[in-house]
Amino acid sequence: SQQGEEDPQALSIQEGENATMNCSYKTSINNLQWYRQNSGRGLVHLILIRSNEREKHSGRLRVTLDTSKKSSSLLITASRAADTASYFCATDRTSYGKLTFGQGTILTVHP
Amino acid sequence: KAGVTQTPRYLIKTRGQQVTLSCSPISGHRSVSWYQQTPGQGLQFLFEYFSETQRNKGNFPGRFSGRQFSNSRSEMNVSTLELGDSALYLCASETGNTGELFFGEGSRLTVL
Repeated sequence: SQQGEEDPQALSIQEGENATMNCSYKTSINNLQWYRQNSGRGLVHLILIRSNEREKHSGRLRVTLDTSKKSSSLLITASRAADTASYFCATDRTSYGKLTFGQGTILTVHP
Repeated sequence: KAGVTQTPRYLIKTRGQQVTLSCSPISGHRSVSWYQQTPGQGLQFLFEYFSETQRNKGNFPGRFSGRQFSNSRSEMNVSTLELGDSALYLCASETGNTGELFFGEGSRLTVL
């Protein structure tokens, strides 16, 4: 079963706009990660935020984590057509490789 | 540094057959985990191996099994295939202490 719920399920924007995706989870976590998946391919790690962190930046990505609300958001600024992909949040309650993924947000960036 | 390599990339089997998928992790990575991705259930954890030992297992029937060799390469096996086993099977490796997973491109299994 999926721990994470992602919102929205699909997002369509124009190049240059910002994209915000949200993730909610149900149980306490050690960390939360975001991954990107281009159609039918493997997942690419984007960013990891630990449970004691509130915000993290990496290039055009900004991730926030609110453990009191059990939610996280991923902001992609100045989107590009190449950002078109599915984005997944994943939570980690153990240290043994098991990530629990959300259902993902399909992002389409129109040139 | 080479990434995670999965073989085969695509395969077609019929119900009742068995299949073996292979995964070569990034050099130096000792942890290998496997995930199944389907449109209906999304990404689901199968199992994780570290130094040839299974440390964690997801909620899958015993038809799904795996192993890891001394060189960290891993295989997973699915016996008595069912139509519902059609999926993208993803392997990921990790150094063991960062939490970040590096995924392969996956093996897409179609069961007819």
